Amino acid sequence: AQSVTQLDSQVPVFEEAPVELRCNYSSSVSVYLFWYVQYPNQGLQLLLKYLSGSTLVKGINGFEAEFNKSQTSFHLRKPSVHISDTAEYFCAVSEGYSSASKIIFGSGTRLSIRP
Amino acid sequence: ETGVTQSPTHLIKTRGQQVTLRCSSQSGHNTVSWYQQALGQGPQFIFQYYREEENGRGNFPPRFSGLQFPNYSSELNVNALELDDSALYLCASSMGFGAQETQYFGPGTRLLVL
Repeated sequence: AQSVTQLDSQVPVFEEAPVELRCNYSSSVSVYLFWYVQYPNQGLQLLLKYLSGSTLVKGINGFEAEFNKSQTSFHLRKPSVHISDTAEYFCAVSEGYSSASKIIFGSGTRLSIRP
Repeated sequence: ETGVTQSPTHLIKTRGQQVTLRCSSQSGHNTVSWYQQALGQGPQFIFQYYREEENGRGNFPPRFSGLQFPNYSSELNVNALELDDSALYLCASSMGFGAQETQYFGPGTRLLVL
């Protein structure tokens, strides 16, 4: 069975500092990987996704993530954060070749930016 | 803005009642998925509908049911509400049902069961 572990429930960072949000997954088959962001009182927005090909994936708002198959990780990074990046971030996995796009989400990491 | 809308935004019900939540997908999106997000947790997959047929279900009891209509709208129905059903309910639409499809989420309906 697939599962996603987000290693940090909260990450406080100063504005303009770099940030890394960690994510590990487990699956016995090939997977697709996603990062979603949820701003307060809003739904989820896709930041980026890994389907195949290059292991470094670039997304919106300056975020990027690297797929590491040997370490079963998909960590999210941004070189310089802004106050507007304050939100909850969810790592997610979907089983490749599945007949239904069932997404398994991690428990989330709350990113708080200090001025 | 994802083009996906949900109604109502908030709802209060009592234990044992029934509730219907509504979702309007992006035009042309044949697939809608529903998720339950309890406080402080990630969303959990309830089920998915593709062209008005159920196309996959998560670990939720039969009292959670759904409908999808030809006009890209859909419903989530929950019977015999329990206190643990209190959560944010999210719908997401996509062009197809494959795992690689991008899902576009609505803002959610927050349900409180007393």
